[in-house]
Amino acid sequence: DAGVIQSPRHEVTEMGQEVTLRCKPISGHDYLFWYRQTMMRGLELLIYFNNNVPIDDSGMPEDRFSAKMPNASFSTLKIQPSEPRDSAVYFCASSFPGAGAFFGQGTRLTVV
Amino acid sequence: DQQVKQNSPSLSVQEGRISILNCDYTNSMFDYFLWYKKYPAEGPTFLISISSIKDKNEDGRFTVFLNKSAKHLSLHIVPSQPGDSAVYFCAASRGGSQGNLIFGKGTKLSVKP
Repeated sequence: DAGVIQSPRHEVTEMGQEVTLRCKPISGHDYLFWYRQTMMRGLELLIYFNNNVPIDDSGMPEDRFSAKMPNASFSTLKIQPSEPRDSAVYFCASSFPGAGAFFGQGTRLTVV
Repeated sequence: DQQVKQNSPSLSVQEGRISILNCDYTNSMFDYFLWYKKYPAEGPTFLISISSIKDKNEDGRFTVFLNKSAKHLSLHIVPSQPGDSAVYFCAASRGGSQGNLIFGKGTKLSVKP
């Protein structure tokens, strides 16, 4: 298995634009997590899904952020409109019962 | 309010010696703890875990100790190798291994030859 796959690896966008981050979890994993890493706050959980259903989105910072998981092999994290303070590395991770979460390589987002 | 704290942002150790990375937590409901290792420009990689019903788990050069009464865990790496140089994150979960993970801010370990 190729592991958790995130795209794009890098994204530079202008303030106010819509940004969509994509994630393909490891096949067979029924949990999917979106994390954000910043210097100030470290790794923060934004939202997680179990069997494609959002379980806890209390970490989503604002209504500008939304996440979907239309099927077991795909999830998106959308920011609309984007702001400079959204600049961070966004990680997707997946897991199954009895194992720790496996992370993708992350998407480095820069909003200018 | 940080529920998982790694108070040492960095640690430097000589090759061959023991590295001890520490982590404290505040939420007594956490029942599963993990350590992750992260290299620059990569995602965190799972290293070792421990359930709250145990106080020690060992995997090769890596051992995790859990002291529930002190709400403290530590990761021991013996012997340390230059390839161990990375940022180490402590994480805790309330829902077992599949629960959402709360991470500490990480400790950057440098192992010098």
